[in-house]
Amino acid sequence: EAAVTQSPRSKVAVTGGKVTLSCHQTNNHDYMYWYRQDTGHGLRLIHYSYVADSTEKGDIPDGYKASRPSQENFSLILELASLSQTAVYFCASKDNYEQYFGPGTRLTVL
Amino acid sequence: AQSVTQPDARVTVSEGASLQLRCKYSYSGTPYLFWYVQYPRQGLQLLLKYYSGDPVVQGVNGFEAEFSKSNSSFHLRKASVHWSDSAVYFCVLSVGNYAQGLTFGLGTRVSVFP
Repeated sequence: EAAVTQSPRSKVAVTGGKVTLSCHQTNNHDYMYWYRQDTGHGLRLIHYSYVADSTEKGDIPDGYKASRPSQENFSLILELASLSQTAVYFCASKDNYEQYFGPGTRLTVL
Repeated sequence: AQSVTQPDARVTVSEGASLQLRCKYSYSGTPYLFWYVQYPRQGLQLLLKYYSGDPVVQGVNGFEAEFSKSNSSFHLRKASVHWSDSAVYFCVLSVGNYAQGLTFGLGTRVSVFP
């Protein structure tokens, strides 16, 4: 059974609209992460969290907010979606040094 | 700041041939290193990891990697590739700080031809 799940798996959004990507983990890990992957590239860190009700900025936080309402759930919020935010988004949870990734959400902003 | 370099963007090999993917990292402390594989339109799967000890680590599906502190490298190898090994391979660095995410290389796209 998948330990990190993401919803939706794909989404088409309009420019200027609000988008919420959700992540749920059953690993009982404290740390959770949001990354984006652009075509042909590795992953870049957007936001992360190490405890419920607290989030931290990663390397590319501009244009994104995050929410961690519980240990199991971590959301990524695009208040005003832009074309440049078209990408695949991955959520991960972490124990010690290894991260476990969800299947990804493919977001297309038109 | 730490970084990971994968010098080969694309590698093409024949089925049954050997494969080596290069990875160089930059970090002054103790690195924790991983190789992940991403199949088309799928998430990332862990192939192998290195924390300490024997510099040669074995992974899934016949992959192995060798860590070299003197060369700041973590190269991935497979003795005989199969067409199903066609994928993108990422070398990844964790610096051990619990708060830090992972630092990814840009990836190497491997194409295996019959």
